Amino acid sequence: GAVVSQHPSWVICKSGTSVKIECRSLDFQATTMFWYRQFPKQSLMLMATSNEGSKATYEQGVEKDKFLINHASLTLSTLTVTSAHPEDSSFYICSARPSGGLHNEQFFGPGTRLTVL
Amino acid sequence: DAKTTQPPSMDCAEGRAANLPCNHSTISGNEYVYWYRQIHSQGPQYIIHGLKNNETNEMASLIITEDRKSSTLILPHATLRDTAVYYCIVRSPFGAGSYQLTFGKGTKLSVIP
Repeated sequence: GAVVSQHPSWVICKSGTSVKIECRSLDFQATTMFWYRQFPKQSLMLMATSNEGSKATYEQGVEKDKFLINHASLTLSTLTVTSAHPEDSSFYICSARPSGGLHNEQFFGPGTRLTVL
Repeated sequence: DAKTTQPPSMDCAEGRAANLPCNHSTISGNEYVYWYRQIHSQGPQYIIHGLKNNETNEMASLIITEDRKSSTLILPHATLRDTAVYYCIVRSPFGAGSYQLTFGKGTKLSVIP
């Protein structure tokens, strides 16, 4: 149990285009989902916290108008990178916290590799 | 969240026990120690967590010192598939704002044949 999927697993896009990444909790409901970004040889950096039915909370330095987050259901959150540029190329990882879960455990998706040309 | 300190890298021979240390000298009374690992180009995987007692599951054992200022994650029989970056995270699991995980640089464990 407790599986989180991401789609796509990798994407290559042209500069200036928008890319949507989906994060799904497959066998549990997740009130809260998190989006992380990881650059090569660096650790995961939290970008935003997504709560179902409400606006996401962004970490300092993360542009909310560039990284649009929608958490419309208890099993799906989406991250849209708008007007992507090469510096947005990164590994994007989501995690989901089960509703009513103990100890606030989180389960991570496999990640999405974004390359912006 | 309390800050943690881990060695940047470690090697371990295949089949031997891997002991990964973590210092968290500023840990407070309600904070737990969590361990995650990240295999290359994958999402992090939860391993184990504990408060003050030693914990064991099918993946690993967690030894926490009596003063709780440090802990050791033990992989009893390391395999090549255990090669990964291991993150030690200290935080309170309860209350508002407790959901977030703050990842440090972790320890890159290389299991050698």
